[in-house]
Amino acid sequence: SQQGEEDPQALSIQEGENATMNCSYKTSINNLQWYRQNSGRGLVHLILIRSNEREKHSGRLRVTLDTSKKSSSLLITASRAADTASYFCATGQMFGNEKLTFGTGTRLTIIP
Amino acid sequence: NAGVMQNPRHLVRRRGQEARLRCSPMKGHSHVYWYRQLPEEGLKFMVYLQKENIIDESGMPKERFSAEFPKEGPSILRIQQVVRGDSAAYFCASSPYAGLAYEQYFGPGTRLTVT
Repeated sequence: SQQGEEDPQALSIQEGENATMNCSYKTSINNLQWYRQNSGRGLVHLILIRSNEREKHSGRLRVTLDTSKKSSSLLITASRAADTASYFCATGQMFGNEKLTFGTGTRLTIIP
Repeated sequence: NAGVMQNPRHLVRRRGQEARLRCSPMKGHSHVYWYRQLPEEGLKFMVYLQKENIIDESGMPKERFSAEFPKEGPSILRIQQVVRGDSAAYFCASSPYAGLAYEQYFGPGTRLTVT
């Protein structure tokens, strides 16, 4: 699998339900970031979690990081129609440079 | 404080023409990154620049592509003799400092279509 690969590729849920997306990566990382992209638009930064952190919250978002399994999850609670977007994880490698390596994304659809 | 600005938002070029994409980073940001996104895919790193310097161009195709970030003015991504495979969305990001501890702020992108 690619560095920063999201699972599932697509997810449809009813408004009000929780949405969980997962990201797996291969190499040691400095941090992991989640971004949202609305159709045809730019990326919006959601959360950055560092390699020495295990969990982080921001509003309705909760991100976990398990460096032993090289995986992260993004949980969106009480989903809203406006959450419909593609979600990407991006990793910054431990001994790399400043570039981010993005996964292919999870396309989330919230059904009103 | 305006965000990262990119222009044009949409660009149509015929095969063989040149494409020039511009990126103005956020005020006070001296680090610029260019990424390319093909349809239905994630973003792929192309190049990282600081003022007047290319720091990492490991993601740039060897031919036809070049980037600059002059002392004054926006960063420019230049694609010479465009081909259909260059059709993609090109995103620019900026950050105030070097290092992955800092968030990269993304612009709205330039969608290049090669006919």
